[in-house]
Amino acid sequence: DTGVSQNPRHKITKRGQNVTFRCDPISEHNRLYWYRQTLGQGPEFLTYFQNEAQLEKSRLLSDRFSAERPKGSFSTLEIQRTEQGDSAMYLCASSLDGNNEQFFGPGTRLTVL
Amino acid sequence: AQTVTQSQPEMSVQEAETVTLSCTYDTSENNYYLFWYKQPPSRQMILVIRQEAYKQQNATENRFSVNFQKAAKSFSLKISDSQLGDTAMYFCAFVQYNFNKFYFGSGTKLNVKP
Repeated sequence: DTGVSQNPRHKITKRGQNVTFRCDPISEHNRLYWYRQTLGQGPEFLTYFQNEAQLEKSRLLSDRFSAERPKGSFSTLEIQRTEQGDSAMYLCASSLDGNNEQFFGPGTRLTVL
Repeated sequence: AQTVTQSQPEMSVQEAETVTLSCTYDTSENNYYLFWYKQPPSRQMILVIRQEAYKQQNATENRFSVNFQKAAKSFSLKISDSQLGDTAMYFCAFVQYNFNKFYFGSGTKLNVKP
């Protein structure tokens, strides 16, 4: 296993379109996290999963955002009716437990035109 | 709510010299963990160093060490013998014990000059 992977790496879309991102965590990690990072800022927590259960969602995650981790392995983050303010880097991370190091993927950079 | 503050948006250091990056945090909790992450240009974030709040001894990892002052809620990172490969954004992060959710500072951009 070479680490956390994310696809696509870049996504350009028009306002109003739906987009979906995928994250494949390190295989033995049962915790998976999504963050959003805008230019010049640190990552902001969006949501996390323990196995297939989504245990916490940030208020940043509006009703246009939905995340799933159907079999406790990979996860998807969908944004419906994208807005220009959604343009950001979306980072995925995984960990063995809540207190330990989170391993980050390379991110998906979303640009909404 | 927990907050993490990095007051130095950008810093520069000459190769082989020492630099210290500052981080303060605000929490009412007693049990937590602190991290420094490095994000090189166009590359993914990697862990630099980790500190458990219950440990008084400062963590050290090769050229990287921290100065953890729990009462002052301060967690600075010292990089000794700076190398060109240390050029990156550095983020300080906090997680409350068993709470999973990381809080990150806004980052410090470090430039190591030859």
